[in-house]
Amino acid sequence: DAKTTQPNSMESNEEEPVHLPCNHSTISGTDYIHWYRQLPSQGPEYVIHGLTSNVNNRMASLAIAEDRKSSTLILHRATLRDAAVYYCILRASNTDKLIFGTGTRLQVFP
Amino acid sequence: NAGVTQTPKFQVLKTGQSMTLQCAQDMNHNSMYWYRQDPGMGLRLIYYSASEGTTDKGEVPNGYNVSRLNKREFSLRLESAAPSQTSVYFCASREAGTAAATQYFGPGTRLLVL
Repeated sequence: DAKTTQPNSMESNEEEPVHLPCNHSTISGTDYIHWYRQLPSQGPEYVIHGLTSNVNNRMASLAIAEDRKSSTLILHRATLRDAAVYYCILRASNTDKLIFGTGTRLQVFP
Repeated sequence: NAGVTQTPKFQVLKTGQSMTLQCAQDMNHNSMYWYRQDPGMGLRLIYYSASEGTTDKGEVPNGYNVSRLNKREFSLRLESAAPSQTSVYFCASREAGTAAATQYFGPGTRLLVL
């Protein structure tokens, strides 16, 4: 399974944009990039995913580098509710598994 | 739709006792998963089932057994609980098909083994 590397923690102020980086230098051509987040005392929830092109949804944007060796999850205006652990995960097309790393703990200050 | 449900929410066991964690999903998903999460750590995959009637080991299967009872239900059994199995257990499901498919998680079962 291809690995991802994320900073252990990041901080942001409320209503500011947040850019959460993820390195995945061993990504293969068919690996999808998934982001999940885990709010305190809850199960993980889906945020966004992409393959090659940048993606936007109501929660966030995903910017994928041209060589696909890194990606950035963008929260356009952080709220207190966005304080969570964010996981960047690669999923290969030939596997049913989703392997989590340790993620980035995001703190949001009022 | 309830999504993914897990029972019980909390459980305290003594070393050597056995128990079964139950998981059910009402989204007609083919694939189901069991993860454990130790304090301050990420999730680790214990077992998964790609379809009814099949199960496969994940990263940390030792000490656990699973049963895919039908398409809706996937149970995790601890035959002889150990303190090292104190953890939060999450069940998940997803529709099989592409690597883009989203995974949905249950609320978790908090297990303490004394």
